[in-house]
Amino acid sequence: QVQLQESGPGLVKPSETLSLTCTVSGGSISSYYWSWIRQPPGKGLEWIGYIYSSGSTKYNPSLKSRVTISVDTSKNQFSLKLSSVTAADTAVYYCARVRGYFEDVWGKGTTVTVSS
Amino acid sequence: DIVMTQSPDSLAVSLGERATINCKSSQSVLDNSNNKNYLAWYQQRPGQPPKLLIYWASTRESGVPDRLSGSGSGTDFTLTISSLQAEDVALYYCQQYYSAPRTFGQGTKVEIK
Repeated sequence: QVQLQESGPGLVKPSETLSLTCTVSGGSISSYYWSWIRQPPGKGLEWIGYIYSSGSTKYNPSLKSRVTISVDTSKNQFSLKLSSVTAADTAVYYCARVRGYFEDVWGKGTTVTVSS
Repeated sequence: DIVMTQSPDSLAVSLGERATINCKSSQSVLDNSNNKNYLAWYQQRPGQPPKLLIYWASTRESGVPDRLSGSGSGTDFTLTISSLQAEDVALYYCQQYYSAPRTFGQGTKVEIK
């Protein structure tokens, strides 16, 4: 049973870069797409982007200028970097596996607060 | 971007009664080449990540009770809970994966009356 676990700092200062890692266990990261999705407090879900195990990416245009998603197949991990963060980037960040076309397995999520 | 609009925002249903959630997309998510609707439904209980319930608009994910069902095509979709149970209290989201960026509805909160 594939499991995903997000990790990274829970507090980031405004204008700095948010960095998160998702570790995949119970299965290989190869041959799948992997997504990042976030949920601001009390709000809905926003898709950030995804990466294929080969490294090809697609990002949400609303965040594209600030987002980088990368993959490390040797560690069975993929990562998210979001630059120049503001309070509006405060959210629970989820990583998820894309099975075919849809996200079928999600991590438990990690809360990131942007504050000085 | 394809805008997903759910209705209602919340509903309260008695245990054992039917709950119906609607989802409308701003453009069709039906691929005529394979006759598939690129639409999923997720359930999110408080403090938990979303859980995949339905994909291709009507295919139930393994382990999902058959009282939950999805229907619809093109731009109009429905998630039905045929007989509401206490464990169905949650937020429900529709999502289109027809085109990037993937987009979600705003969510529908289901409660017990």
